[in-house]
Amino acid sequence: AQTVTQSQPEMSVQEAETVTLSCTYDTSESDYYLFWYKQPPSRQMILVIRQEAYKQQNATENRFSVNFQKAAKSFSLKISDSQLGDAAMYFCAYRSQGGSEKLVFGKGTKLTVNP
Amino acid sequence: GAVVSQHPSWVICKSGTSVKIECRSLDFQATTMFWYRQFPKQSLMLMATSNEGSKATYEQGVEKDKFLINHASLTLSTLTVTSAHPEDSSFYICSAPRGYYSNQPQHFGDGTRLSIL
Repeated sequence: AQTVTQSQPEMSVQEAETVTLSCTYDTSESDYYLFWYKQPPSRQMILVIRQEAYKQQNATENRFSVNFQKAAKSFSLKISDSQLGDAAMYFCAYRSQGGSEKLVFGKGTKLTVNP
Repeated sequence: GAVVSQHPSWVICKSGTSVKIECRSLDFQATTMFWYRQFPKQSLMLMATSNEGSKATYEQGVEKDKFLINHASLTLSTLTVTSAHPEDSSFYICSAPRGYYSNQPQHFGDGTRLSIL
């Protein structure tokens, strides 16, 4: 079974600075998808960014980018120019390419943005 | 706007009663939906996979008779917590993948906060 590990329960960053959230995963599959979801206090799950494992190029979405290291099974999220609205829980998630589309989540990282 | 609607958003009920939570895909058909449970300050744990027209697939450790799932149409899945007790109090979230291709992201409902007194 696949597992996702987020080793940073909490992180903090100053407004306008850059922060990196770590995520590692374990799988024997070669094709899969990786996601970062944001959950603000409203508890709504918001997709931040996704990466297809077959793509070597790291995904980017405006201020959000990932560092995907397939061999190391690492998938970190970098938030540039942090904003107060970025404060939330961030979950890393794994999904197989075939079969069930269920998501396997890490335990999450609580990000605080200081003004 | 929301593409997955979950109702109710918050429910408080007495111990021993049954509670039904609905998850609707608003502008797409979902043959599969997922039900997650989230305890305070914890991650989302998959409870079951809801399959349209067939039985749900439950994760290990989830009581099938406790958490009844029905997926009677392509746009609606329901989760019924039967004979609820205080330990069933939690945040329940549904999600549905949009589209036929597996690379499509899942859309989440806004969740249901269940409080059993």
